[in-house]
Amino acid sequence: DADVTQTPRNRITKTGKRIMLECSQTKGHDRMYWYRQDPGLGLRLIYYSFDVKDINKGEISDGYSVSRQAQAKFSLSLESAIPNQTALYFCATSSGTSSSGYTFGSGTRLTVV
Amino acid sequence: EDQVTQSPEALRLQEGESSSLNCSYTVSGLRGLFWYRQDPGKGPEFLFTLYSAGEEKEKERLKATLTKKESFLHITAPKPEDSATYLCAVPIDFQGAQKLVFGQGTRLTINP
Repeated sequence: DADVTQTPRNRITKTGKRIMLECSQTKGHDRMYWYRQDPGLGLRLIYYSFDVKDINKGEISDGYSVSRQAQAKFSLSLESAIPNQTALYFCATSSGTSSSGYTFGSGTRLTVV
Repeated sequence: EDQVTQSPEALRLQEGESSSLNCSYTVSGLRGLFWYRQDPGKGPEFLFTLYSAGEEKEKERLKATLTKKESFLHITAPKPEDSATYLCAVPIDFQGAQKLVFGQGTRLTINP
């Protein structure tokens, strides 16, 4: 099983719909992150959480919300999807020690039409 | 402003043709530099962490080096399976914590 599992892998949704992307990890790490990746813009941080009671906005949080249901689960919601939220979304986890890097999931490709 | 810039954007090599990818950064007080490999349709996969100028790390055909201004990912005698996008990232201070800032990546293609 993958260390970080994201569901769904692909999703097409209509403008205005609410959608949730889910992430679970088996690394036992406290820290979890949501990034989006766009061609030419690289990976950008949406939200991060350092433990179950800690939620923080990243650099592009507008239009998104998150929920940390447990140490292992961190979900991302688009309250009312718009076409410019079409992107590849990645969840990641880390132990907090700089040597370990981040472990990423395989991503969710989201298309908003 | 803290920035990470990778060059070239894309690189196409023949199998066995060695080359280097560049990652330059402008951050104050570097606390590590990370290299990742990303295959199409997959998440980035951690390769190396470098902490101080002069440090080197190796893994199979890859060797990462670090200076005070940039890092290089040297690929020696590459094979087609080394084709991927290579990303570098540095941690910066953000709202009292740290976040990783990623470069745009170098898309490497190795032709057989």
